[in-house]
Amino acid sequence: QVQLVQSGGEVKKPGASVKVSCKASGYTFPNYGITWVRQAPGQGLEWMGWITGYNGNTNYAQKLQGRVTMSTDTSTSTAYLELRSLRSDDTAVYYCARRLAEAGMGYYMDVWGKGTTVIVSS
Amino acid sequence: QSVLTQPPSASGTPGQRVTISCSGSSSNIGSNYVYWYQQLPGTAPKLLIYRNDLRPSGVPDRFSGSKSGTSASLAISGLRSEDEADYYCAAWDDSLSGVVFGGGTKLTVL
Repeated sequence: QVQLVQSGGEVKKPGASVKVSCKASGYTFPNYGITWVRQAPGQGLEWMGWITGYNGNTNYAQKLQGRVTMSTDTSTSTAYLELRSLRSDDTAVYYCARRLAEAGMGYYMDVWGKGTTVIVSS
Repeated sequence: QSVLTQPPSASGTPGQRVTISCSGSSSNIGSNYVYWYQQLPGTAPKLLIYRNDLRPSGVPDRFSGSKSGTSASLAISGLRSEDEADYYCAAWDDSLSGVVFGGGTKLTVL
């Protein structure tokens, strides 16, 4: 079955960087993109951006531009999210999800990973 | 402040029909598809409705979506205790060139 397995939780100090992995299985990795969504404690969902599976094109949320990098390793069907210059308000659960595109009318996520908790604290 | 506006809470008794609204603008709901996600406590979100009103395989037909102009709605009929969760609407926003979510609606089954 289609599955996304994320790396374990992280605790980082302000100013540090974190890299979260998301290993896909059960489907042809290059045929789909990966979206990253985060959720701060007690808050709603926030779209961070995506990366396409076949050529690595990215689209980042404006507020994260310059601090975020999404990448893939097609040889291992793994997507990565790197967030730099961490602040306390980056504390959140980070989800990867398989992205489907709908002919310019929308994008949605049909399979989600279980999430990776990132805590930023001094 | 979320780009899409949802009521923070909704409630109903078992068997009732509940509706959750999602209001946007011409740059998101007005010109693109709407999606709904269900997040049970302590779990990852799950796709509930795609392309405004379609259900993925495995989603009960008690859940239905609709869209009109710049607003959308999620209806849950025959409410069950296991429907108690947070519900989020989402859409692509042409002006922001990104996906926008509603703030989420916490559904309580009384």
